Amino acid sequence: AQKITQTQPGMFVQEKEAVTLDCTYDTSDPSYGLFWYKQPSSGEMIFLIYQGSYDQQNATEGRYSLNFQKARKSANLVISASQLGDSAMYFCAMGLNTGNQFYFGTGTSLTVIP
Amino acid sequence: NAGVTQTPKFQVLKTGQSMTLQCAQDMNHEYMSWYRQDPGMGLRLIHYSVGAGITDQGEVPNGYNVSRSTTEDFPLRLLSAAPSQTSVYFCASSYSAWGETQYFGPGTRLLVL
Repeated sequence: AQKITQTQPGMFVQEKEAVTLDCTYDTSDPSYGLFWYKQPSSGEMIFLIYQGSYDQQNATEGRYSLNFQKARKSANLVISASQLGDSAMYFCAMGLNTGNQFYFGTGTSLTVIP
Repeated sequence: NAGVTQTPKFQVLKTGQSMTLQCAQDMNHEYMSWYRQDPGMGLRLIHYSVGAGITDQGEVPNGYNVSRSTTEDFPLRLLSAAPSQTSVYFCASSYSAWGETQYFGPGTRLLVL
């Protein structure tokens, strides 16, 4: 069963606009972490933001925020004021306390248009 | 801090050959893991370790072996390479699987002919 689902294979956004990348997850483990990573064309994996399952408030890191809706099991990434350098693949991921497993979604390719 | 290092960056193997992908970290992390990335499939966990002497399987362990004799090193062994193992391999480390971010190495691109 798919643990992490990213339903948007590709997204386009105008420079300086905000964009939301969708992510839903599936687990019955009460202790888990949700992560977003950026992978530019150069190939490295860059950590963006983290949300723990017990965190009450949505995580924010600069222009990145994570819209965590626990009951709906969603963890959408919001990028505000998009920049050309934001063009990349974005992966949602989940780490589980039980079994120490870590799952990635299939990714969303974001293109920022000047 | 060098972070997470991986060697080699690129490797070409023939079917049936063996090789070891090296991974090292200098952050004193207990949790280390190996992933493979294939087009359209995201990253998938191969094996992980929660400390020296402790390893376990991930989602796609077949064809791969690991060991962890020190906190710093976590090598991945391909005993008899197959074309299906052509992929990009990432090593990562963190304090735990779920409570902290994982730090990734730069990746190893492997081609099996």
